[in-house]
Amino acid sequence: KNQVEQSPQSLIILEGKNCTLQCNYTVSPFSNLRWYKQDTGRGPVSLTIMTFSENTKSNGRYTATLDADTKQSSLHITASQLSDSASYICVVSHAGNNRKLIWGLGTSLGVNP
Amino acid sequence: ETGVTQTPRHLVMGMTNKKSLKCEQHLGHNAMYWYKQSAKKPLELMFVYNFKEQTENNSVPSRFSPECPNSSHLFLHLHTLQPEDSALYLCASSEGDRANSPLHFGNGTRLTVT
Repeated sequence: KNQVEQSPQSLIILEGKNCTLQCNYTVSPFSNLRWYKQDTGRGPVSLTIMTFSENTKSNGRYTATLDADTKQSSLHITASQLSDSASYICVVSHAGNNRKLIWGLGTSLGVNP
Repeated sequence: ETGVTQTPRHLVMGMTNKKSLKCEQHLGHNAMYWYKQSAKKPLELMFVYNFKEQTENNSVPSRFSPECPNSSHLFLHLHTLQPEDSALYLCASSEGDRANSPLHFGNGTRLTVT
């Protein structure tokens, strides 16, 4: 079954600290993996898209890694800011199956001052 | 401003009402989507339009009726909804196939069915 699992479910950190969010998937065949940020009351915003051949991709203080062999990805946030408080959603694109997007449930991140 | 505008932001309707959700994208994209986001569930794709033509309907009940008059506008017509239809309804667009292009989302319509 094609699934995307994220951990932890929720996380609270202090402003200025770093954190890493995890995404494990069983989607096969795999096309690409995305991370989205969703602020409360808003739609998701794309952070990164990574294909099979990409191991790491950065977008400002956000760095995503991908290990296609172990089917794992992580999103590392450096020097967190209050505005990083949001839900972070991992999405995997299925290469077959009409190129379906398989969405995770997200990790809820709270950054406290 | 996301480039995808949804109205209204909030909607409360009774089960016998008829209402419509509106989405407009200013990005020149050719694909538009309706998604449903419920608590503790992953995003659910409802409908896909490419160049104004509906290409996917993911077993959505007929009480939800989409309309795409042109590549920039998308509507979701609602009638005789159930309380379990209460959710955040998100519109999205993409430049090409969603498999390879990022989705650009609006801020959603929070629907409550009473």
